[in-house]
Amino acid sequence: DTGVSQDPRHKITKRGQNVTFRCDPISEHNRLYWYRQTLGQGPEFLTYFQNEAQLEKSRLLSDRFSAERPKGSFSTLEIQRTEQGDSAMYLCASSLNPGGFGNTIYFGEGSWLTVV
Amino acid sequence: GNSVTQMEGPVTLSEEAFLTINCTYTATGYPSLFWYVQYPGEGLQLLLKATKADDKGSNKGFEATYRKETTSFHLEKGSVQVSDSAVYFCALRGTYNTDKLIFGTGTRLQVFP
Repeated sequence: DTGVSQDPRHKITKRGQNVTFRCDPISEHNRLYWYRQTLGQGPEFLTYFQNEAQLEKSRLLSDRFSAERPKGSFSTLEIQRTEQGDSAMYLCASSLNPGGFGNTIYFGEGSWLTVV
Repeated sequence: GNSVTQMEGPVTLSEEAFLTINCTYTATGYPSLFWYVQYPGEGLQLLLKATKADDKGSNKGFEATYRKETTSFHLEKGSVQVSDSAVYFCALRGTYNTDKLIFGTGTRLQVFP
């Protein structure tokens, strides 16, 4: 049973550089979510997709952030012109919809970003 | 707005002690409630869930009951182990027009032998 897979697991980048994270959801899961988690805090919602359609974006997702899911399978999250405040763990998750709000959302192990 | 409030940690216990981590929520509608656990350096794992009032979720000796009258979903375990040391997050999902999970800030549990 393959879970949610994220790559890379760790990324160190210089301020101003662009970074991209990839997420492969559980096979056949049509919903895919991105969250951000900083040290000592709970995950904060960024965006989610139903197949290839981006259904909701948080106000946390500034113009420097863009997420795509072009074929309704894997997704990418790109951060342009990184800032030190972008340092966080970026979590991807997936679920099967319809299934109701009690349906389980499965998380990947996260991608750690450090901006120096 | 919708929110989740958890007791602050760390919670420090000896092995075999009784655990309670408090969680209360504010939400419109009838959300589903979840407890996730995060071990050091890892992502989130679902621990248990409840989808309607008075439901009890349980897993690995942990339990939580969905109390609509007190808007609470407290996590309990009768006898903790060192391996239970982790951060526990309470979350809600399923308020109107959105499918996002809203998390509390997390409670760190440390269990000593």
